[in-house]
Amino acid sequence: AQSVSQHNHHVILSEAASLELGCNYSYGGTVNLFWYVQYPGQHLQLLLKYFSGDPLVKGIKGFEAEFIKSKFSFNLRKPSVQWSDTAEYFCAVTSGGFKTIFGAGTRLFVKA
Amino acid sequence: DAGVIQSPRHEVTEMGQEVTLRCKPISGHNSLFWYRQTMMRGLELLIYFNNNVPIDDSGMPEDRFSAKMPNASFSTLKIQPSEPRDSAVYFCASSPTDRGKLFFGSGTQLSVL
Repeated sequence: AQSVSQHNHHVILSEAASLELGCNYSYGGTVNLFWYVQYPGQHLQLLLKYFSGDPLVKGIKGFEAEFIKSKFSFNLRKPSVQWSDTAEYFCAVTSGGFKTIFGAGTRLFVKA
Repeated sequence: DAGVIQSPRHEVTEMGQEVTLRCKPISGHNSLFWYRQTMMRGLELLIYFNNNVPIDDSGMPEDRFSAKMPNASFSTLKIQPSEPRDSAVYFCASSPTDRGKLFFGSGTQLSVL
């Protein structure tokens, strides 16, 4: 069965630190990959997506993610985090039809 | 566009009562999803529809849960009877035909006492 694993449940960083959140999925076919962000008290919003082409994708607010097919990974990165990046981050995979499966989420807290 | 609209925003009910959550997807979107979010289990896919037809309901936890999509602009998720362990935030999301990008509603915070 299709699944998505996020390596870290909680991450605490200081402002200006670099961020990398891990995401691995299990599905052998063609996939579409997403990172969503949920700010406190808000609903999920799309951060970035990968469908095809350049495996390094750039999203909003300085975030980027790299698709490594051989590792079934789609890690999220940001070179320098800000206090306003405090949120929960979800990796998601869509395969075949329209079924989208989410990882358990990673809660990021950035100390000012 | 108003986005995905869910109602109510908050629902507090007593165990055993029927609960109905409502969702209006974005006009023109072909797919609709119901997710449940809890601290323990994260974001779980309950059911999804494509062109108003239920495609996969394997995530529906029990027969107490049911979902309908009578037309392209409306869906309901019903819990009957409700139990305290059903307390969670229930999100509705819709998607156009571009391979899975989801647009989420603001969610319904359900508390079953």
